[in-house]
Amino acid sequence: GQSLEQPSEVTAVEGAIVQINCTYQTSGFYGLSWYQQHDGGAPTFLSYNALDGLEETGRFSSFLSRSDSYGYLLLQELQMKDSASYFCAVRDRGYSTLTFGKGTMLLVSP
Amino acid sequence: NAGVMQNPRHLVRRRGQEARLRCSPMKGHSHVYWYRQLPEEGLKFMVYLQKENIIDESGMPKERFSAEFPKEGPSILRIQQVVRGDSAAYFCASSLRTDNEQFFGPGTRLTVL
Repeated sequence: GQSLEQPSEVTAVEGAIVQINCTYQTSGFYGLSWYQQHDGGAPTFLSYNALDGLEETGRFSSFLSRSDSYGYLLLQELQMKDSASYFCAVRDRGYSTLTFGKGTMLLVSP
Repeated sequence: NAGVMQNPRHLVRRRGQEARLRCSPMKGHSHVYWYRQLPEEGLKFMVYLQKENIIDESGMPKERFSAEFPKEGPSILRIQQVVRGDSAAYFCASSLRTDNEQFFGPGTRLTVL
């Protein structure tokens, strides 16, 4: 069956660096996406990795290892506004449909 | 360029009533996806539609649920004879192409009394 595992909660302080891991087990794999969701609002796209390696977008970076079925989201120079839920999601079919993990709640404290 | 729009934002129904949720994709997007999210859970895929066609409905319950995306107008997710277990946030997303990034709407929070 399809499953994605990520920690349920991570805490960190402002200015720190945090890494949110995601391991997946899916019948198909086309890529790994990361989404941010504040207080149950609209999920916002952060990044997408189809190939192994690191993708950097400002303070956020995402990594993928297809051989290990593993990826992570790296958030640097944490700010209070980064407190949110972060979801990894696998594109497991030949089109954009996503299978989501249960999400990691990130709490950033002063 | 307006984002994905959903209405209503909040919907309250009594058991046995019908719920209709609407989604207008981003301008130029012809691919629409519906997801359901329970509290403290991730989003669960329900159905993927293109204009006038259902491409993948593997995540949608076979009974009481239906979806459409007509040639003109918004996509509609319809839930007949709602039960308490249907209470959830329903999110719609759209994409420009079939393999593109999805943009999500603000969701409709359905509460069944």
